[in-house]
Amino acid sequence: AQSVTQPDIHITVSEGASLELRCNYSYGATPYLFWYVQSPGQGLQLLLKYFSGDTLVQGIKGFEAEFKRSQSSFNLRKPSVHWSDAAEYFCAVAPPNQAGTALIFGKGTTLSVSS
Amino acid sequence: EAGVAQSPRYKIIEKRQSVAFWCNPISGHATLYWYQQILGQGPKLLIQFQNNGVVDDSQLPKDRFSAERLKGVDSTLKIQPAKLEDSAVYLCASRGLLSTDTQYFGPGTRLTVL
Repeated sequence: AQSVTQPDIHITVSEGASLELRCNYSYGATPYLFWYVQSPGQGLQLLLKYFSGDTLVQGIKGFEAEFKRSQSSFNLRKPSVHWSDAAEYFCAVAPPNQAGTALIFGKGTTLSVSS
Repeated sequence: EAGVAQSPRYKIIEKRQSVAFWCNPISGHATLYWYQQILGQGPKLLIQFQNNGVVDDSQLPKDRFSAERLKGVDSTLKIQPAKLEDSAVYLCASRGLLSTDTQYFGPGTRLTVL
């Protein structure tokens, strides 16, 4: 069965430090890959997505993610974290080339930023 | 461009009562989803519509949950009767028809069942 694993439930990073959030997936073929962010009381906002091609994907708010097929991973990174980045982050997958199929989400990683 | 609208934002009911949630997707988006997000978990699909037809409702507890999307635009999700375990955030999302189109989420309705 398709699944997404986010191994870290909660991460605390100092403001200005770098960040890496881990995501591993289990899927028959290379799926479409996504990272969403959810701030308290808000809906999910798309940070970035990977469909094919260049394995390093740039997103909004200074985030990037790297797809590694050999590790079935799609880790999210940011070189310098800001206090406003504190939120919950979700990795998600969808089957490739199937228009409209719903997303399968991981359980999320809560990011806290310390000053 | 207006985003996905949902109402109400918060709802508190007692078990065995009924409740309804409303969603207005982004204009022109043919596909609409309802997800359930239980505290500490990622969203899980309840039902997916394309226009006003159901594409996937395999994870919808049909003995108590129902949903409709009249005229292929707005949608309502109903729970009757509610159980304690239905306490969650109910997210509505919409997207265009291309496989690469982004799925946009509304702010959600936080349901508490007492």
